Amino acid sequence: AQSVTQPDIHITVSEGASLELRCNYSYGATPYLFWYVQSPGQGLQLLLKYFSGDTLVQGIKGFEAEFKRSQSSFNLRKPSVHWSDAAEYFCAVDSPNYGGATNKLIFGTGTLLAVQP
Amino acid sequence: GAVVSQHPSWVICKSGTSVKIECRSLDFQATTMFWYRQFPKQSLMLMATSNEGSKATYEQGVEKDKFLINHASLTLSTLTVTSAHPEDSSFYICSARDPGGTGQNIQYFGAGTRLSVL
Repeated sequence: AQSVTQPDIHITVSEGASLELRCNYSYGATPYLFWYVQSPGQGLQLLLKYFSGDTLVQGIKGFEAEFKRSQSSFNLRKPSVHWSDAAEYFCAVDSPNYGGATNKLIFGTGTLLAVQP
Repeated sequence: GAVVSQHPSWVICKSGTSVKIECRSLDFQATTMFWYRQFPKQSLMLMATSNEGSKATYEQGVEKDKFLINHASLTLSTLTVTSAHPEDSSFYICSARDPGGTGQNIQYFGAGTRLSVL
């Protein structure tokens, strides 16, 4: 069965510092990978996705993520964090949609990011 | 990106009443929508998969008679919490899958509904 692990429950960084949020997945083949962000009391916004091709993907708000097959990882990075980036971040995995099958997103438990001034 | 609208954003109801939550895909047709429940400081738990024109598929442990799902059109799915009780209080989030031109499916999420049952 697919699973997603986000080892860090809570991370605090200073504004302007770099950020890396970890995500590891368990899946037999290359899945579809996503990062979502959730602000308090809000739904989830898609930051970026990886389906195939270039393993370094760029997303919105200056975020990027790198797919590393050998490590089964898809870590999210940002070179300089802004106070508005404080939110909860979820990594998710989906399996490729073969034959029109309905697939489900599997979410990690989330990482809560706090940004210090 | 695609937009999913969820309504209402917040609802308070008395115990024993029913509450309906709507989820609409505004600029694309969604043959498949999903309903999630999120407890405080926890991840999303998939409750059910809603397929247009057919019965919803519920996850294990989710009471289908309590959480009624209707997906009557390609842009609208509804979740009705029947005979709500305080333990049903939670944050409910819907998503809609956008098939996309290349067949690569992405889920877009609504803003969520905060349900409080008194």
